[in-house]
Amino acid sequence: QSALTQPASVSGSPGQSITISCTGTSSDVGSFKLVSWYQQHPGKVPKLIIYEATKRPSGVSNRFSGSKSGNTASLTVSALQAEDEADYYCSSYVASSAFVFGTGTKVTVL
Amino acid sequence: QLQLQESGPGLVKPSETLSLACTVSGDSISSGPYSWGWIRQPPGKGLEWIGYIYKTGSTHYNPSLRSRVTISVDTSKNQFSLRLSSVTAADTAIYYCARRDGTLASLDPWGQGTLVTVSS
Repeated sequence: QSALTQPASVSGSPGQSITISCTGTSSDVGSFKLVSWYQQHPGKVPKLIIYEATKRPSGVSNRFSGSKSGNTASLTVSALQAEDEADYYCSSYVASSAFVFGTGTKVTVL
Repeated sequence: QLQLQESGPGLVKPSETLSLACTVSGDSISSGPYSWGWIRQPPGKGLEWIGYIYKTGSTHYNPSLRSRVTISVDTSKNQFSLRLSSVTAADTAIYYCARRDGTLASLDPWGQGTLVTVSS
């Protein structure tokens, strides 16, 4: 199984919105709603911010939202803040109970 | 509050076997629709799924690592373990354990991670 494809980097100014894409195939993202997103600050542990493609765990800011269409899932961060500068990873369930991460996206707040 | 903590040697010699344990506290490893997984992250690189195990002992492994990986669970110790054989420098990484929701396939929470270096 190949890693899901994410842009290497995305940047935006404070207050703007950014969107990170996560492209898979009909064997993973395209077939299941089981897409999650993780935020990882430098030197820190990944944190779950979106599950089941669109849902936020309790305590996660509503500035984070997820969507999915076909083989591509997306994470949108609205009203960008300095604290949002981090690496973001998507993941998806894969047929036969497997699992795959995305390649990761570095978000820079200008 | 559920917490996970990895433990094991931080240095392993090439060709030997890497062994790590993850101790779960705050809840029973046997409760709920969960499985227990291992993920790794080479320095400066992305996340890689290694595998996960259910309380029943059923396992699922990353196909690229399947021939070298064994994940086991010890419910009496509330602990699960990772063994990765025939390691090389390419296996140098931070190794994380995490709880995987069996229904949602999401990973939460994660352990703090432990750096394992493969070097002679």
